[in-house]
Order: sequence, then C-alpha cells, then structure tokens
Amino acid sequence: EVQLLKSGGGLVQPGGSLRLSCAASGFTFTNYAMTWVRQAPGEGLEWVSSISASGNSTYYTDSVKGRFTVSRDNSRSTLYLQMNSLRVEDSAVYYCAKDAVFGVIESWGQGTLVTVSS
Amino acid sequence: EIVMTQSPATLSVSPGERATLSCRASQRISSNLAWYQQKPGQAPRLLIYGASTRATGVPARFSGRGSGTEFTLTISSLQSEDFAVYYCQHYNNWPPWTFGQGTKVEIK
Repeated sequence: EVQLLKSGGGLVQPGGSLRLSCAASGFTFTNYAMTWVRQAPGEGLEWVSSISASGNSTYYTDSVKGRFTVSRDNSRSTLYLQMNSLRVEDSAVYYCAKDAVFGVIESWGQGTLVTVSS
Repeated sequence: EIVMTQSPATLSVSPGERATLSCRASQRISSNLAWYQQKPGQAPRLLIYGASTRATGVPARFSGRGSGTEFTLTISSLQSEDFAVYYCQHYNNWPPWTFGQGTKVEIK
C-alpha cells in the first residue's frame, strides 16, 4: 500500500520559510516522478511542482518559481519542498503525491496545512 | 499555459440518475486528461486518466470520453458516495499542469 507521510507544515509569517517533507513507502520510490499540489481554503486544486524520478528535472508553477525548491532523497524515499519568501497567498493545504506516469497523479497523501500570516 | 474550464459549476442530481460533467481545454491536449474526485476533508482520488481509462478500483459507472479540447465524465447511476467535487487536469507534453475549477455534484 502506498503511504505518503508528510511533516513540516504550520504557521509562518510573511517572508518566512518552511520545509515540507514527505516520506514515501509501499512502492519503489526511485521509479516515479513526484508532485506537490496545493489547495487554498475553500478553493480548487493548484499544481505547484513536480520532480522527475531521478531528481534531475524539476518543474514549478510560475507563482512559486524562484521561491520554492523541490528535491528528493532517493536513498531515504523522501520528497521535499523548501518554501522561501512565503506570501499570504501561499496559505493552503499542501499535498504530496505520486505520479503513475508523468502528470497523472495516482496517489495522494493526506495534506499538510501551511498558514502564512502575521 | 493551458486553461481548463469545467461546466457546470454545480450539478444537482438525484440518486440513481446519470450525471455528465464537461471539461474544455484552451488548446488541444490529445487524450492527456485526468479526472479526480474529492470529498470534503479528504485528499483527491484519481478516477480516470488518458481521458477514458479508469484507475484501479474505480467502479464501471464512471466513464470518460473525449480528445483534443472537449472531454466529459459520466457517472451512469449516481450512488450516495459519488456526491463530491470533480476536477479535470491536463498533463499534455510538459508542465505546468493545470486543473479545472471543479464541478460539485450535489444531491437534488
């Protein structure tokens, strides 16, 4: 069974930083691209970032480019999202997810809440 | 960036009836479209990919059609557990992937 266990959410002031971690199990982590999706309260889904299976290729939505960094440690089966220069509009539940094939988000973790507020 | 537009925003359906949800892409995306279901307080669940292929464990009452720019998700006979929000998402070529704004299927 695929499990995606997240940590690192919480309350941060505007301009601050947070790092989300997602520990994966139940599948061969090194074989799959991984994705972050977020959902602001009461809103729809927004794709944030994806990383290839090897970690050599990364992709971001425009609004987080230059502020967020996705990475993975394949030896630890762990996905990360480093979020810097956080803005109020970054407040959302962040989902860590496994791609079936690139772009098809097959398995979703339960989400971690990030609140950016003074 | 490809814009995904879903309609209607809300669909009121009685249990046992058919529901048809639409999704339009602003550019041709071949069959590179997925549908997700999200219930309140839960993570989304993959229903359909490749526009028409059901994901593992998805009941046969869910079906997807379309290619290019026009897509539909049909739920043939709505069950109580199907009342939820449904999102389409393209994954054509390279990111950014984009989602539609969602269609809420509610009990009539």
